[in-house]
Amino acid sequence: ETGVTQTPRHLVMGMTNKKSLKCEQHLGHNAMYWYKQSAKKPLELMFVYSLEERVENNSVPSRFSPECPNSSHLFLHLHTLQPEDSALYLCASSHNRDEDNSPLHFGNGTRLTVT
Amino acid sequence: AQSVAQPEDQVNVAEGNPLTVKCTYSVSGNPYLFWYVQYPNRGLQFLLKYITGDNLVKGSYGFEAEFNKSQTSFHLKKPSALVSDSALYFCAVRPRNTGGFKTIFGAGTRLFVKA
Repeated sequence: ETGVTQTPRHLVMGMTNKKSLKCEQHLGHNAMYWYKQSAKKPLELMFVYSLEERVENNSVPSRFSPECPNSSHLFLHLHTLQPEDSALYLCASSHNRDEDNSPLHFGNGTRLTVT
Repeated sequence: AQSVAQPEDQVNVAEGNPLTVKCTYSVSGNPYLFWYVQYPNRGLQFLLKYITGDNLVKGSYGFEAEFNKSQTSFHLKKPSALVSDSALYFCAVRPRNTGGFKTIFGAGTRLFVKA
């Protein structure tokens, strides 16, 4: 177990569907992240929440909608996606302190396929 | 623009031989430097980080990394490779004094270790 749990592991959805990805961390961290991983590309930071407040939103299309109800849970709501949104979506958490050098702890990801 | 370069898509080494996975970065200031590893169907796992001090940093599973400030490089090394080291390796850089939320990743280098 990584301490960061993502569900589902795999998701296939049509372009008109609405689905949600879930992430839960059991590490007592105060920051949570969504990353998109596509083949042969650097990880793309999508959203960051610190103490349940969104602190980063990297020009992500509105068809992706994050939600952070508490410091242990993070959701990514999906609607009217495009085939190019097919990727591995990774959730991560960290314990941010003034030194800001704490590593990220990742979940195993959700493999999303948009048909 | 800030970036991280991993010039090799793939590195092949024989088991028992030393390995090097290269990383250079273009980030202002003195950023924190990280290496992560990703095994198939898993999220990224933290290997090691450089904060300050000794240019040779030791991490998990016998890996180490050498920081070179003048070349802005942070190459990952291991004296004797194992077949089980075969995985995808990511170099990452975090600028200082940015709240700790912005980690810039390279595109990854796939390591193959042959028996």
